[in-house]
Amino acid sequence: GAVVSQHPSRVICKSGTSVKIECRSLDFQATTMFWYRQFPKKSLMLMATSNEGSKATYEQGVEKDKFLINHASLTLSTLTVTSAHPEDSSFYICSARGVGGTGFFGSGTQLSVL
Amino acid sequence: DAKTTQPPSMDCAEGRAANLPCNHSTISGNEYVYWYRQIHSQGPQYIIHGLKNNETNEMASLIITEDRKSSTLILPHATLRDTAVYYCIVSALTGTASKLTFGTGTRLQVTL
Repeated sequence: GAVVSQHPSRVICKSGTSVKIECRSLDFQATTMFWYRQFPKKSLMLMATSNEGSKATYEQGVEKDKFLINHASLTLSTLTVTSAHPEDSSFYICSARGVGGTGFFGSGTQLSVL
Repeated sequence: DAKTTQPPSMDCAEGRAANLPCNHSTISGNEYVYWYRQIHSQGPQYIIHGLKNNETNEMASLIITEDRKSSTLILPHATLRDTAVYYCIVSALTGTASKLTFGTGTRLQVTL
């Protein structure tokens, strides 16, 4: 099946620093990418949807200035958590969707902010 | 909001078929039914999807009722490695209805 690569898998950072997470579709062109966060024992919560070359659409309650999303090419999207604080600690997951419609997910990034 | 309803948990004996139901009574004509599963601390894994016909692949079968208001995912011979949270999602291919919105899913426990 299609492969979506997400890096890093785990990151620990100090409060106030920014963290960038990359999501790549390795064998297909992702017209749309989704970013989710997941707290322990909870379901995935959609944060934003991005289409290549255009601004991301954020879900209600998600701060666009805090979670910067860039989808500059059909195979790469990045999520930058700016000025991270302990409450931003979470499991972040990306999904890439091609023209065929099926979404494939990255392996996730566990962010821990000290 | 998620547009699907699933039982919170199910048990299945290893080697038996696991039948996971999903209700999606408000599904639109252009929306597909997708199934994913998530094993602890990993990204969701795609299983299968369908529009109105039943579908089968190497992992599972998907049975969609004629009125499309519900579906069942069937794992024909469950193994311990199938223990996971299973999510049923309805989504269009394009447009504002193309978001993959997750509900609470069904936690399937496969036992010896």
